[in-house]
Amino acid sequence: EAQVTQNPRYLITVTGKKLTVTCSQNMNHEYMSWYRQDPGLGLRQIYYSMNVEVTDKGDVPEGYKVSRKEKRNFPLILESPSPNQTSLYFCASSKTSGRGYEQYFGPGTRLTVT
Amino acid sequence: LAKTTQPISMDSYEGQEVNITCSHNNIATNDYITWYQQFPSQGPRFIIQGYKTKVTNEVASLFIPADRKSSTLSLPRVSLSDTAVYYCLLVSGTYKYIFGTGTRLKVLA
Repeated sequence: EAQVTQNPRYLITVTGKKLTVTCSQNMNHEYMSWYRQDPGLGLRQIYYSMNVEVTDKGDVPEGYKVSRKEKRNFPLILESPSPNQTSLYFCASSKTSGRGYEQYFGPGTRLTVT
Repeated sequence: LAKTTQPISMDSYEGQEVNITCSHNNIATNDYITWYQQFPSQGPRFIIQGYKTKVTNEVASLFIPADRKSSTLSLPRVSLSDTAVYYCLLVSGTYKYIFGTGTRLKVLA
């Protein structure tokens, strides 16, 4: 089944404790992206990657890191989480060929930083 | 990136056609208009995409006038399960996505 998976689905952590949220897709998509969703602010793009070893900042990259060493994986790293990073996080992927902009989203990771 | 403007919320009744209009006055020549649907606590789901005129698929139609400064998503005969947030966004080869806050559609029985 074609899908985007994220782990963990729920995470409660403390300020300053490094964490990684994994994202994996099995559709051989070149493009992958991370978003955060907060009440009243909608979905905001954190980082995206056009292909292996190619990443770029979205609208809200501060406090986050990403890496794209393999085509299928795009982990989101919070080196020193803070309470303002409490949010619902989504990973997405899509092809980059043609002019298709259909992204496939993962189920989301709900992160709470205390 | 050009910004889009949508109504914050809309109510409709089951069986009615729903039209959600999106304004994008500063759309660029290579921007495509894309619509996504999101249910609570789920990731958005792609609905439809278009560049100009009319596009139709099995779930919706997208109407784009010649000047491309607006677009209308049309959902025929909505049901309760169409209650969701609908996002209009402009996308180009830069692959930067700005979702905004969307339109919250509530379908009533």
